[in-house]
Parts: sequence; structure tokens; C-alpha cells
Amino acid sequence: QVQLQESGPGLVKPSETLSLTCAVSGYSISSGYYWGWIRQPPGKGLEWIGSIYHSGSTYYNPSLKSRVTISVDTSKNQFSLKLSSVTAADTAVYYCARDKRGYSGYDFDYWGQGTLVTVSS
Amino acid sequence: QSALTQPASVSGSPGQSITISCTGTSSDVGGYNYVSWYQQHPGKAPKLMIYDVSNRPSGVSNRFSGSKSGNTASLTISGLQAEDEADYYCSSYTSSSTPGWVFGGGTKLTVL
Repeated sequence: QVQLQESGPGLVKPSETLSLTCAVSGYSISSGYYWGWIRQPPGKGLEWIGSIYHSGSTYYNPSLKSRVTISVDTSKNQFSLKLSSVTAADTAVYYCARDKRGYSGYDFDYWGQGTLVTVSS
Repeated sequence: QSALTQPASVSGSPGQSITISCTGTSSDVGGYNYVSWYQQHPGKAPKLMIYDVSNRPSGVSNRFSGSKSGNTASLTISGLQAEDEADYYCSSYTSSSTPGWVFGGGTKLTVL
């Protein structure tokens, strides 16, 4: 069973960089699939942030592209998100998920439990 | 990449059927058969219910079905049960500016 677990600071100051890591178990990232980040502001809908392939190839939401970096560490079987110059509008629950594009379907089939990140001084 | 359009809320009584619509453009919903639907209970992560317009993952009840016509996709839940009360989100693959995903704003389903 594929499992994902987000980790990182729950509080980030405005203008600083938000950093999160997603640890994957039950599947080797090196074996394939894209791996993505999705966020959900409190009481609002879902927003795709970006996705990465095990080779390091990335796709980012154009609205966030200038501030987002997603990287992968296959030796630790994990991938990471950095979002720079954060503001209160970046306060959200951040989810990591397996992005199945091209692998028997186009969807996010496994999700982490999510982690709330609050941007506040 | 603009969000897909869903009704804010729908409701139905136990045993009834409801349909949630999801409207996009020819760059997303209308351009690909890659629409998925997610169920989200309060405080929980989204759960995949339908993928590639009409396919159900293993373990998802056959009371859930999906379809698409033009730029609008639909999720139908038949035989409504109390545990179906949740938020539902549609999503579509898009390549309008970068190959990625766009989500709908979500629909709150209330089982009366």
C-alpha cells in the first residue's frame, strides 16, 4: 500500500520560504509516476501547485511558478516543496499526492493526510 | 488555468440520486477524457472516486458514476446514503499553458 506523509514547519513568517517534505513508503519513487503538491486554503477549494518525475522533470502551476521549487531525493524516497516570499494568502493545508498522468489513468490516486501551514508573524 | 465551475451545493434524500456538474473549456474538460472526481470529508484528505471521466478505482461503490458531454463533466451518486455527505471536487488535466491540473471550486453535498 502506497503511503505519503508530509512534514515541515506549521508556522512561517511573511516573506520567508515555506519548506515541506513528503516521505513515500510502499513504492519506490525511482520506479516511476509523477509526484505532486496540492494545497487547500481554509474553507476553500483545491489548487495544484506542481509535480515532479523521478528524473527531476517538473511542471508548475503558472500562477505560482515564479515562487515554487519542487525537488526529489530518490535515495530517501521523498520529494520536497519550497515556496518563497510567502504571504497570508499562502496559508493552507498542503497535500502531497501521487500524480498518475500517463500511468493507467490521469488523476491523484494516493494522498498524504495533509499539513496545515500558517503564514503569520 | 482558470478553475472549473461547480455548483456550490446540492442536496438529496436517502435513496435518491443526485448529479454534480463540472464545467470547463476546450483546453481542459472538453479537450481530454481525463476528468477525475474526489470526495472529501471534513478534516480528511481527498479520496479518488472517479478517474478518466467514468472509471471507478477498486473499492469505490458502483453507486458513483461519471460522464462527460462537451466541456461539462458530471458525477452522479445513486441510492444516496448518509455517509455520502461530503465535499466533492472535479479535476481535469490541462495543457493550456503547462501540462498540469485544474480543480473545480467544490460542491457541498447534503443528505437530508
